[in-house]
Amino acid sequence: GNSVTQMEGPVTLSEEAFLTINCTYTATGYPSLFWYVQYPGEGLQLLLKATKADDKGSNKGFEATYRKETTSFHLEKGSVQVSDSAVYFCALSGDNFNKFYFGSGTKLNVKP
Amino acid sequence: GAVVSQHPSWVICKSGTSVKIECRSLDFQATTMFWYRQFPKQSLMLMATSNEGSKATYEQGVEKDKFLINHASLTLSTLTVTSAHPEDSSFYICSARGLSSGRRDTQYFGPGTRLTVL
Repeated sequence: GNSVTQMEGPVTLSEEAFLTINCTYTATGYPSLFWYVQYPGEGLQLLLKATKADDKGSNKGFEATYRKETTSFHLEKGSVQVSDSAVYFCALSGDNFNKFYFGSGTKLNVKP
Repeated sequence: GAVVSQHPSWVICKSGTSVKIECRSLDFQATTMFWYRQFPKQSLMLMATSNEGSKATYEQGVEKDKFLINHASLTLSTLTVTSAHPEDSSFYICSARGLSSGRRDTQYFGPGTRLTVL
């Protein structure tokens, strides 16, 4: 079956630190992979996505590479800002895109 | 592009009343819309999937008579919480999947609706 596993949070970093949030998945077929970000009291915003193996999604300094051999899609950013504080969800689409499977979310706190 | 709106953004109602939440795709047509529920500090729980012009498909454990979903057009889906009770208080989020090839594999989320039942 399909599932997504994310590292548990919260993750607390100082401003300008390097960020990695781990995400691994199990899937049948060839899913697309996503990272969404949720700011307090808001819905989810698409951060980046990758649709096939070795694709790299990137946006706003964040990036993640679709690694089929390790079934991973780790989120990275070279230098985090206080404004990056939010909850990050890894997700995959399955069943002909009619169903999304979400990880449990990882809360990121960035301190000045 | 790919903006999804929800209305209202928050609502407070008395126990036993019904509440309707609207989800609209503003700049694209959505073949499929999804309704999720999110509890504090938790991930999203898919409640149902709706396709325009057909009945919604509910996830196991979700009461279809309590959470009525209507997907009347390619840009509008509504969720009605009937006879709401305090345990229905939650954050409800909708998402939409587009028609075009560039948007078919992605869900675009609304900002959510905070429901509080007194």
